[in-house]
Amino acid sequence: NAGVTQTPKFRILKIGQSMTLQCTQDMNHNYMYWYRQDPGMGLKLIYYSVGAGITDKGEVPNGYNVSRSTTEDFPLRLELAAPSQTSVYFCASSYSVGEETQYFGPGTRLLVL
Amino acid sequence: GNSVTQMEGPVTLSEEAFLTINCTYTATGYPSLFWYVQYPGEGLQLLLKATKADDKGSNKGFEATYRKETTSFHLEKGSVQVSDSAVYFCALSGLNTDKLIFGTGTRLQVFP
Repeated sequence: NAGVTQTPKFRILKIGQSMTLQCTQDMNHNYMYWYRQDPGMGLKLIYYSVGAGITDKGEVPNGYNVSRSTTEDFPLRLELAAPSQTSVYFCASSYSVGEETQYFGPGTRLLVL
Repeated sequence: GNSVTQMEGPVTLSEEAFLTINCTYTATGYPSLFWYVQYPGEGLQLLLKATKADDKGSNKGFEATYRKETTSFHLEKGSVQVSDSAVYFCALSGLNTDKLIFGTGTRLQVFP
């Protein structure tokens, strides 16, 4: 199993540009998550999904959109990039919630200039 | 609401020293508690977890005990190695909730 994979690993965007961060998991997990990690700030939940076709906002959803058309894929869309979106983005998945472990991808480092 | 508080880093130790990283939480009910570790350039991975009071999670020489009376889940290791250098995150998950709540992370640096 590859686990959770993310692409790209690194990207530089200009202000106002758009991009999609890709996330795929091959563990048949129902739950998927997007986090951003800012220095010294821990992880903040952006969006999450409890299954195909179902998404919900997390703590910091503004400026982002998601979709979940399949169990495996959970892309994150930035429509109008802003410097405040410079961060490291992690995708994660889990079979269930509560005491279940979340499995993380390697991250995408995004720089908005 | 639910929250997790971790000691600020960095924690700097010599190899074979004893490690404690403090974590306390605020939550309604009885959450599950986790420690995740992030090695340089990588994503987070589960280190250990405990799902009820007085449970002890352990892995790779690390231990943490779920203390309901002090709402704590401190991470300990008796003898750290250079390879333990990483950022450690404490987290909690409430019963039937969809989300993990993370602490801000504590950077550990171990020198030979």
